[in-house]
Order: sequence, then C-alpha cells, then structure tokens
Amino acid sequence: AQRVTQPEKLLSVFKGAPVELKCNYSYSGSPELFWYVQYSRQRLQLLLRHISRESIKGFTADLNKGETSFHLKKPFAQEEDSAMYYCALSADYNTDKLIFGTGTRLQVFP
Amino acid sequence: DADVTQTPRNRITKTGKRIMLECSQTKGHDRMYWYRQDPGLGLRLIYYSFDVKDINKGEISDGYSVSRQAQAKFSLSLESAIPNQTALYFCATSDTASGKETQYFGPGTRLLVL
Repeated sequence: AQRVTQPEKLLSVFKGAPVELKCNYSYSGSPELFWYVQYSRQRLQLLLRHISRESIKGFTADLNKGETSFHLKKPFAQEEDSAMYYCALSADYNTDKLIFGTGTRLQVFP
Repeated sequence: DADVTQTPRNRITKTGKRIMLECSQTKGHDRMYWYRQDPGLGLRLIYYSFDVKDINKGEISDGYSVSRQAQAKFSLSLESAIPNQTALYFCATSDTASGKETQYFGPGTRLLVL
C-alpha cells in the first residue's frame, strides 16, 4: 500500500539550530515526493518537490530510495519557519493524486 | 490574483442535515480536489475531478457526494451530516498544462456537526 509516514507530530528547536523533519514512504514504483507547508492562518502551499532539486527558504530535501525517505532539512532554523509541514507522495503517473503524511508541527523558539 | 475560494468558511450544523460546501477557482485549472483534515490524520482525499465530466472517488468518499458544475466550481455535499464529519475541509486545484502535483489550496472550511 502507498503510505507516507511522518513519525514526529511536534519538533521544537531554538533559532539557529539545525532542523530535520522526517518523512518515510512506502511505494514500489518510482515516487514523486513533495513537502507542503501551512503557516499559521495561511493556506497550505507547496514548499518543494524532489524532482526540482531546489532549495526554498533554506530548506532542502533529498530523496533516498534505498531508505525510502525524503527528509526535510535546514541548517539554521528561523522563527518564521514555525509551521505545519506535510510530506506528500504522488504515486499515480496519470493523476495528480497526492497521499499526505500526518504532518509535523515545527516550533522554532527565539 | 487568480485564487481558490471556499464558502462558507465556517459552518455549524446538526446531525442529519444536508449541507453543501462550495469551491470556486479563477486559476483556469482543470483539476479540482476535496480533502478533509483531521488532527493527527493529515489530509485525506475525498473526491477529485479532472474535468466537468470526470468525477472520481478518493480515499474516504463514503457519506459525501460532489458536483462539478463548471470548470471553475466543485461542490462537496454531506447528504446527512454526522458528528465524525466534523473536520477542516480543503479544496485544491491543479493544472494539467503546468505539470503535475503542484496543488493550490483554498483557505478551508471549518465544519462542526453537532
């Protein structure tokens, strides 16, 4: 079955500390993976996707097929990074259907 | 700016009532989705539509129905609301032409079923 697992419901760090939000997936084919973010009082929005190999707001994520992981990382967290982060999997080439993880709330303290 | 809007933003209803949540978009996208968000469960897909004549069930369609009245409008109905349908509902759109997976979300509708 296709599944996305985010083991941490809450991750709390201090400003300037490194951040890693974990995401593991189960899918037998070639997945496409994404991170979506929801800031307080804002709508859910795409943060980054693995095929773009981009860095957005200092965040990066590398797809590790051997470990079936797509962890989100940032070397130095900022207070404005506090938000809800969702990892998502697109497992159907012919559709845009996304399977979301349960989300991790990141709290960055000053 | 092109946008995805949802009405109402908040709704309280009673068990057994029929209610409709509406989604409109001015992005010109062909694909539209309905999700519900529950604490600890993330977002789960209810229904999706790739064009006006195409409606598909998602992961949790039981108890829900949808209508794609036009390319820009996608409504979600609860025929007989029950308390466990209390949740935050999101509409989203995506565009076949621009590439896959970037979904643009509405602001959400918070529904409470008493």
